[in-house]
Amino acid sequence: DADVTQTPRNRITKTGKRIMLECSQTKGHDRMYWYRQDPGLGLRLIYYSFDVKDINKGEISDGYSVSRQAQAKFSLSLESAIPNQTALYFCATSVPSKDVITQYFGPGTRLTVL
Amino acid sequence: AQSVTQLGSHVSVSEGALVLLRCNYSSSVPPYLFWYVQYPNQGLQLLLKYTTGATLVKGINGFEAEFKKSETSFHLTKPSAHMSDAAEYFCAVDSWGKLQFGAGTQVVVTP
Repeated sequence: DADVTQTPRNRITKTGKRIMLECSQTKGHDRMYWYRQDPGLGLRLIYYSFDVKDINKGEISDGYSVSRQAQAKFSLSLESAIPNQTALYFCATSVPSKDVITQYFGPGTRLTVL
Repeated sequence: AQSVTQLGSHVSVSEGALVLLRCNYSSSVPPYLFWYVQYPNQGLQLLLKYTTGATLVKGINGFEAEFKKSETSFHLTKPSAHMSDAAEYFCAVDSWGKLQFGAGTQVVVTP
């Protein structure tokens, strides 16, 4: 079984709809992240959480919110989806170590907003 | 603030030829640098990382990268391309526990 799972893998929705993307991990990592990927822009950080009680905005948090329900679960919500939120969304996890923090990525959710 | 620049959004190489992907970074502190690979319809997979110590870093699938502080570079190479190397490659720098990614380089391998 995959260590980091994302549901759904694909979603098509309409402008104005509320949508939630879910991420679960079995790695036991404290830190979780949400990124979006757009062609030619690489991955950009939306939100991150260093533990269950810690939520931080990334560089592009406008229009998004998150919930850290447990160590293993981190959900991303689009309160009112708009077409420019069409993108590939990735969840990632990491755990601090003595040298450097390596992030582990889920398979991604492809979101299309019509 | 830390940032990375990847030169070339698309690279085409012949099977068996050298693969060279360029990455330059900007960092106010000693950088931790990464290369990730994304195969079609998959998530990102770590290829290699530089922390401290040896400046030539070896990764998976025959890839390696050299950290050059004087040139603020971390270029990725593979001596002989294989068809299975066709993917998108991302350079990233650690920024206080978060990753700052480059725009990515799409690699096409031709027979």
